[in-house]
Amino acid sequence: EGQLVESGGGLVKPGGSLRLSCAASGFSFSDEWMSWVRQAPGKGPEWVGRIKSKVDGGTTVYAAPVKGRFTISRDDSKNTFFLQMNSLKTEDTAVYFCTTHVHFCSGSNCYVLDAFDVWGPGTVVTVSS
Amino acid sequence: EIVLTQSPGTLSLSPGDRATLSCRASQSISSNYLAWYQQSPGQAPRLLIYGASSRATGIPDRFSGSGSGTDFTLTISRLEAEDFAVYYCQQYGASPTFGQGTKLEIK
Repeated sequence: EGQLVESGGGLVKPGGSLRLSCAASGFSFSDEWMSWVRQAPGKGPEWVGRIKSKVDGGTTVYAAPVKGRFTISRDDSKNTFFLQMNSLKTEDTAVYFCTTHVHFCSGSNCYVLDAFDVWGPGTVVTVSS
Repeated sequence: EIVLTQSPGTLSLSPGDRATLSCRASQSISSNYLAWYQQSPGQAPRLLIYGASSRATGIPDRFSGSGSGTDFTLTISRLEAEDFAVYYCQQYGASPTFGQGTKLEIK
């Protein structure tokens, strides 16, 4: 079964930067679409952004609150996935999870859904002065 | 953005009871692209249901999902001790969004 482990969280001042990593094992990482999802204290989860597999174009898409500040990338040779966070704000304080996406097949047609299958345990990011 | 509203906020039941959790969307969700997750304290969410009614791998059949359009339901037929947790719905018909959660607590 697949496993994900995040790292790189910590305390950073407003306006600062942080780079999160997600190490994957137990599955064919290069075939997977990957997302970051965050959860502020006492709140529901919030999707941050996604990167497709290279075979599906490798494109990225972001949620409105982080667009232009956060960048998602991947290194398939190292089974690792990244979130570069710049211009951090206090409202970015959260636990950050990396996730895989659900695969669904109907007959001979298979699709990747924006529902989240395997999750890492999360890494805590605190933005505070 | 599609806003998901879950009710009730807290549900107090006993082991063996039947639980019914609701998720209402601010607009119709295309192709029933609705998922449910369970989250225990200090853990990551766990996928239970996708496509409104398809159970994820390894999920017991006491969990079932139903609904379409704007109204969806997660039913747990006979509650077990490990089912007491927070449950979230999530739509993926548009840019993904989550509900605010329903806490299922022991009565």
